[in-house]
Amino acid sequence: KNEVEQSPQNLTAQEGEFITINCSYSVGISALHWLQQHPGGGIVSLFMLSSGKKKHGRLIATINIQEKHSSLHITASHPRDSAVYICAVKSDRGSTLGRLYFGRGTQLTVWP
Amino acid sequence: DVKVTQSSRYLVKRTGEKVFLECVQDMDHENMFWYRQDPGLGLRLIYFSYDVKMKEKGDIPEGYSVSREKKERFSLILESASTNQTSMYLCASSSLTGGPFYNSPLHFGNGTRLTVT
Repeated sequence: KNEVEQSPQNLTAQEGEFITINCSYSVGISALHWLQQHPGGGIVSLFMLSSGKKKHGRLIATINIQEKHSSLHITASHPRDSAVYICAVKSDRGSTLGRLYFGRGTQLTVWP
Repeated sequence: DVKVTQSSRYLVKRTGEKVFLECVQDMDHENMFWYRQDPGLGLRLIYFSYDVKMKEKGDIPEGYSVSREKKERFSLILESASTNQTSMYLCASSSLTGGPFYNSPLHFGNGTRLTVT
């Protein structure tokens, strides 16, 4: 069983569409990360959040600690947003304190 | 800006060879990590280190070892490469500032795609 589940696994959108990627987790956490991975492999950290909402340009990340759920939204999507988006959570419990658990990623393709 | 540099983007090795993957970070980070990434499985932690000469096993350490002789450098070693170690390897670092489990951002290298034939 994966501690972090992402949906959808694959997402195709037309340029300009509003996009939502979801992340649910089953462990107690101290923080949640949203990461972006472009073809070629390099991973960039987009957000780190432990409560509420963060916004950076066209990207918005929200988290609901009670429901153990986070969403990443992209407004006015663009082909350059095409990438794999990965959710990761940092455990706050017991023997796994500080460990990171990763979702399997969501492949986003935005067509012009 | 933090830079995490992995020595090779692509590497092809033969079964049984000893393989060294090098990672260097330039921000004086205490924490360094090695992950492998496989299709459908996501990132899995191989080893991590909280300080020089310290190492801790991750979820899949079998067949790997690590070395951290200097704070900025964390090496992953495949003692005898096997075909099931063909994968993308990613190094990451983060700061310990504020305490061992401070929620600091992760910084990743560009990855090394290793093929073992």
